[in-house]
Amino acid sequence: LAKTTQPISMDSYEGQEVNITCSHNNIATNDYITWYQQFPSQGPRFIIQGYKTKVTNEVASLFIPADRKSSTLSLPRVSLSDTAVYYCLVGSNYQLIWGAGTKLIIKP
Amino acid sequence: DAGVIQSPRHEVTEMGQEVTLRCKPISGHNSLFWYRQTMMRGLELLIYFNNNVPIDDSGMPEDRFSAKMPNASFSTLKIQPSEPRDSAVYFCASSLINTGAGANVLTFGAGSRLTVL
Repeated sequence: LAKTTQPISMDSYEGQEVNITCSHNNIATNDYITWYQQFPSQGPRFIIQGYKTKVTNEVASLFIPADRKSSTLSLPRVSLSDTAVYYCLVGSNYQLIWGAGTKLIIKP
Repeated sequence: DAGVIQSPRHEVTEMGQEVTLRCKPISGHNSLFWYRQTMMRGLELLIYFNNNVPIDDSGMPEDRFSAKMPNASFSTLKIQPSEPRDSAVYFCASSLINTGAGANVLTFGAGSRLTVL
């Protein structure tokens, strides 16, 4: 199972774009990259998933280089409510390893 | 859709007591997961059901833990007897797994916070 490495914490300011990079050197051919967000006292919530290149939805973009050994979650124009822990997961089917996540703190 | 529903939201019990956590997955989902989250160990997969059948229970800590899924709309996680080290937030999640491409997208419940004194 592929393990991921991401920064423990990050700070940013309201209105800024935030990029969180995740390293997954041992990603397998069938593996997808998925990001979740977790607020205190809540369960993780799905943000975005991708296999290669770029994926965009209404809340975020996911950039995946050709070698797929890393990925970057991009949050445009963050607000205070984006303060949360962000998890990067790599896997297929049900086998996912949850790392410690990145604690993102947005300041006014 | 009400999402994944877990009960109770909070449980405080004494060591040695039986604890039962309940989960109602999203209708139509064919897979159900029980996770445990602690500060020290993060999110750990305890057990995974597919079509009501336990597929992987390798994460269940020991025999004190058991999980059942009698039908597609209900699952329980039981701890008997409970110990202080079982204190954690227990999450249930459900998913629709397709045999085609793509990884699971899990929908989590709000969690059950268990405190064993």
